[in-house]
Amino acid sequence: AQSVSQHNHHVILSEAASLELGCNYSYGGTVNLFWYVQYPGQHLQLLLKYFSGDPLVKGIKGFEAEFIKSKFSFNLRKPSVQWSDTAEYFCAVKPYNQGGKLIFGQGTELSVKP
Amino acid sequence: NAGVTQTPKFQVLKTGQSMTLQCAQDMNHEYMSWYRQDPGMGLRLIHYSVGAGITDQGEVPNGYNVSRSTTEDFPLRLLSAAPSQTSVYFCASSYSVAGGTDTQYFGPGTRLTVL
Repeated sequence: AQSVSQHNHHVILSEAASLELGCNYSYGGTVNLFWYVQYPGQHLQLLLKYFSGDPLVKGIKGFEAEFIKSKFSFNLRKPSVQWSDTAEYFCAVKPYNQGGKLIFGQGTELSVKP
Repeated sequence: NAGVTQTPKFQVLKTGQSMTLQCAQDMNHEYMSWYRQDPGMGLRLIHYSVGAGITDQGEVPNGYNVSRSTTEDFPLRLLSAAPSQTSVYFCASSYSVAGGTDTQYFGPGTRLTVL
C-alpha cells in the first residue's frame, strides 16, 4: 500500500536555527510530491511541490525541499526559522495521473521559540 | 474567485443523526476530494471525484457517501453519525496540467463533533 512517513512528530527550535523535516514515501511508480503548511486555526496552504526537473525545489517563505529518488525522500529545509513558522507541516504524495488522490504523512508540529 | 468554500464551519450532531457537509469551488477544477484530519494521523482521504458524475473511494470511506452532479459542488453525506466521525473535514479541489501534476487547494474546514 502507498504510504508517507514523517520522521518527527514534534520539533522545537529557537529562532534562527536551521530546520530539516524528513519525509519518506513508499510507492514504486512516478509521483508528484508536496509540502503543505497549516498555521494554527487555518487551512492547509501549499509550501512547495515537485513534479519533474531539478530535484531541489524552492517554495514560499524561504523553504526548500530536495527529492532524492533513490531514497524515496523529500525532505523540507529552511536555513533560519522564525517564530512565525510555528505550524504543522505535512508531506504529501500523489501517484502520477491519479488526480484528486493525495496521500499525506502524519504531520510534524513545529514550535519556534522567540 | 472565492476558491474552495465549505459550510458549515462547526457542527454538533447526536449519534445516529445524518447531515451533509457542503463543498463548492469556483475554479472549474475537475478533481475534488474530501479528507478528514485527526490528531497524529495527518489527513486521510475519504472520497474523491475526477469529474461530474464520477466518484471513487479513498482510504476511509465507510459511513460516508458522496455524489458529484456538477463540476462546482461535492457534498459529503454522513448517513448515521458515530462518535468516531468526530473530526475536522477538509474539501479540496485540483486541476491537471501537462505532465500529470496538480496542486490541491483546500477549503477552510468543517469541525464536526458527534456526541
